Amino acid sequence: KNEVEQSPQNLTAQEGEFITINCSYSVGISALHWLQQHPGGGIVSLFMLSSGKKKHGRLIATINIQEKHSSLHITASHPRDSAVYICALSYNTDKLIFGTGTRLQVFP
Amino acid sequence: KAGVTQTPRYLIKTRGQQVTLSCSPISGHRSVSWYQQTPGQGLQFLFEYFSETQRNKGNFPGRFSGRQFSNSRSEMNVSTLELGDSALYLCASSLAGWGPGTEAFFGQGTRLTVV
Repeated sequence: KNEVEQSPQNLTAQEGEFITINCSYSVGISALHWLQQHPGGGIVSLFMLSSGKKKHGRLIATINIQEKHSSLHITASHPRDSAVYICALSYNTDKLIFGTGTRLQVFP
Repeated sequence: KAGVTQTPRYLIKTRGQQVTLSCSPISGHRSVSWYQQTPGQGLQFLFEYFSETQRNKGNFPGRFSGRQFSNSRSEMNVSTLELGDSALYLCASSLAGWGPGTEAFFGQGTRLTVV
């Protein structure tokens, strides 16, 4: 069993829809990261969570440490949100373990 | 401040050759980690350096190696290239590693194609 599981693998939405991407993990962690990767490869860090909830613009990330689960929400989705969203775990100081990613396409 | 810089952005090599990729972290960051991304395997951890010392290594053959210089710039080397080494290689820098409160900063990656 993978240490981190993401769902769904692929997601298609109409502009304006509310989107949720889920991440479940099986190990104790020091932090969970949500990353965004656009075509072309570069990765941008969206959130780093160790507890609770964070919000940045239309993006909201939550984590439940007891249930080992995190969600990334996008409100009022837009075509520019189309990207691959990756959940990554850090549970020691020197490496990240990645989920398989969720490919999101938002159509106008 | 300048972000994480990876060079070159694109590279085409022939099987059997070797290649060196470079990563310049954000100024003041002392940890650099490397990752390989392929369509079949996703993102996989290669190794991490902190203050010129390799702290951890992923499950890759010895053909993959790296080093870090005193200015925190890091290089990774792949010898005897195989077709399966074709991938996007990403590096990330942080102040001291991936503990709580540490934000990840990634470079744009080097896309290596082995023919």
